[in-house]
Amino acid sequence: EAGVAQSPRYKIIEKRQSVAFWCNPISGHATLYWYQQILGQGPKLLIQFQNNGVVDDSQLPKDRFSAERLKGVDSTLKIQPAKLEDSAVYLCASSLSGLSSYNEQFFGPGTRLTVL
Amino acid sequence: KQEVTQIPAALSVPEGENLVLNCSFTDSAIYNLQWFRQDPGKGLTSLLLIQSSQREQTSGRLNASLDKSSGRSTLYIAASQPGDSATYLCAVTGGGKLIFGQGTELSVKP
Repeated sequence: EAGVAQSPRYKIIEKRQSVAFWCNPISGHATLYWYQQILGQGPKLLIQFQNNGVVDDSQLPKDRFSAERLKGVDSTLKIQPAKLEDSAVYLCASSLSGLSSYNEQFFGPGTRLTVL
Repeated sequence: KQEVTQIPAALSVPEGENLVLNCSFTDSAIYNLQWFRQDPGKGLTSLLLIQSSQREQTSGRLNASLDKSSGRSTLYIAASQPGDSATYLCAVTGGGKLIFGQGTELSVKP
């Protein structure tokens, strides 16, 4: 079974530029998560989708971050404009369903973003 | 607000030692607790998941315990190997969310 796919794996941009990350979850997984992991910290949830609807985006900096999952499968996370403090690893995870009792989340390899 | 803390932040041991990683959380109303491993440049791999009604889980050389009343969990690694070198993260779940600690970076020296 294929795992969670993410691209690109690495990205270096200048501050104030825009960037987009892509995630393809495990087939059949209804719930998709985007996490931000700053160096030396644990991952922090940015946004959770159930199919193509947003369940939780309370920690997403909406003035610069946006995410979509239009067809309920793959998802993109965008940052515009980027700031230095956005340098982090962006992890995507998926689970069968995240609405009721906990379903195990499976993580992709992440995208490492460096903002100069 | 749930907070998860892991001590120590980094640990270096010689090969063959038994070791314990610690995790504490502030709100005992958790659904379960999970230990992950993260290798450099890689995503997270789930190691053990302990449901709130359980006290411990074992997988090979790994044993994780959970004491909800005191807000603590430990991950015991027996007979450590260089291949165990990685960052170990604990996370608690509540309301369908995973809340992570900051991780313990483990280095096992040959």
